[in-house]
Amino acid sequence: EVQLVESGGGLVQPGGSLSLSCAASGFSFSSYDMSWVRQAPGKGLEWVSTISASGRSTFYADSVKGRFTISRDNSKNTLYLQMGSLGAEDTAFYLCSRKDTTIDNLDYWGLGTLVTVSS
Amino acid sequence: EIVLTQSPGTLSLSPGEGATLSCRASQSVTSNHLAWYQQKPGQAPRLLIYGASSRATGIPDRFSGSGSGTEYTLTISRLEPEDFAVYYCQQYGGSSRTFGQGTKVEVK
Repeated sequence: EVQLVESGGGLVQPGGSLSLSCAASGFSFSSYDMSWVRQAPGKGLEWVSTISASGRSTFYADSVKGRFTISRDNSKNTLYLQMGSLGAEDTAFYLCSRKDTTIDNLDYWGLGTLVTVSS
Repeated sequence: EIVLTQSPGTLSLSPGEGATLSCRASQSVTSNHLAWYQQKPGQAPRLLIYGASSRATGIPDRFSGSGSGTEYTLTISRLEPEDFAVYYCQQYGGSSRTFGQGTKVEVK
């Protein structure tokens, strides 16, 4: 069974940094592109970033470019998101998802970890 | 960046009725790379439709997608109790993807 479990969320002050993790199991992690998508409480979905299966290629939404860094450790089946210069607009649940390369879409998702940016 | 606008914002219907959800793109979506997701409270999104009209694995045939260019539609032929949820369209052209703001299908 495919499982994606995010962790690392919490309360951080404006301007601060936070690192998120997503532990993957039940599939060959190193074979899949992975993404982060966020959802502000009660709001819609916003794509944040995608990393290729090898980790060599990364892509970011304009809203986080230069502040967030996506990475992965295929030996640990873990996806990461390093977030910096955080503002209130970054407050959201951060969900990791697997991209099925055959259909080029996000077919499995975690439940997310909540990041709250507040003083 | 392609902006997706979904309508209506909320659809109030009864079980057994049909639902038609719209998604309009600010520019033509590359190769009909348009997907639909369903999300229920406290749950992760679930992929329903990709490539504008292909059902994802395990999705019942009461869900269908259509459209091209800038206009796309998700149709639910007969609403089951478990179909009341929020639905998002998403385009996935190139290296980025954007979501619509969502349509909530609620019980009338």
